[in-house]
Amino acid sequence: KAGVTQTPRYLIKTRGQQVTLSCSPISGHRSVSWYQQTPGQGLQFLFEYFSETQRNKGNFPGRFSGRQFSNSRSEMNVSTLELGDSALYLCASSYTSGNTEAFFGQGTRLTVV
Amino acid sequence: AQTVTQSQPEMSVQEAETVTLSCTYDTSESDYYLFWYKQPPSRQMILVIRQEAYKQQNATENRFSVNFQKAAKSFSLKISDSQLGDAAMYFCAYRSAKGAQKLVFGQGTRLTINP
Repeated sequence: KAGVTQTPRYLIKTRGQQVTLSCSPISGHRSVSWYQQTPGQGLQFLFEYFSETQRNKGNFPGRFSGRQFSNSRSEMNVSTLELGDSALYLCASSYTSGNTEAFFGQGTRLTVV
Repeated sequence: AQTVTQSQPEMSVQEAETVTLSCTYDTSESDYYLFWYKQPPSRQMILVIRQEAYKQQNATENRFSVNFQKAAKSFSLKISDSQLGDAAMYFCAYRSAKGAQKLVFGQGTRLTINP
């Protein structure tokens, strides 16, 4: 059974640009959550999608958005990139929103220059 | 809001010995879950062990066990017979039992295993 797949693995963008990250959950999983990991702030919850609906959102500016498709794949978009958006972005999937076990992907390393 | 604190930024242990990583949390909820995740250099977060707050018995997974003290809001991880492959960042995490998937993580403890 394939794990959680995040693409791309690495990304370099310029300030002011926008970026889209992709996450394919484990087959059959319908919940996808996103986290930002930085040395200064640690791991912070961005948002969760379940059955194409955003169920919960962390404390991030509106430049951070996401969506989920009918096949449960999720995308995260960051517009007007800032240097501080440089981070490892992790995606986690679970069977349902209430399921206690979440499986993580290997992340996308975003560098903003 | 819930918070998770790991007071040990770094720990080291000799191979085959036992090490305990500390974690405290703050919440006003009575029903929740606690987790320890391992993040090796590959960056993928791997679930090590989980504990349901309503269970008094401490969780155990092979060489990994926890000491869950609900009243003290403490959740430490004990690794027995440490192996070189245990070297990683370890994160303690909290999740409410109600509502959506949202993990609140501690700052992490970097564990080094000395051969």
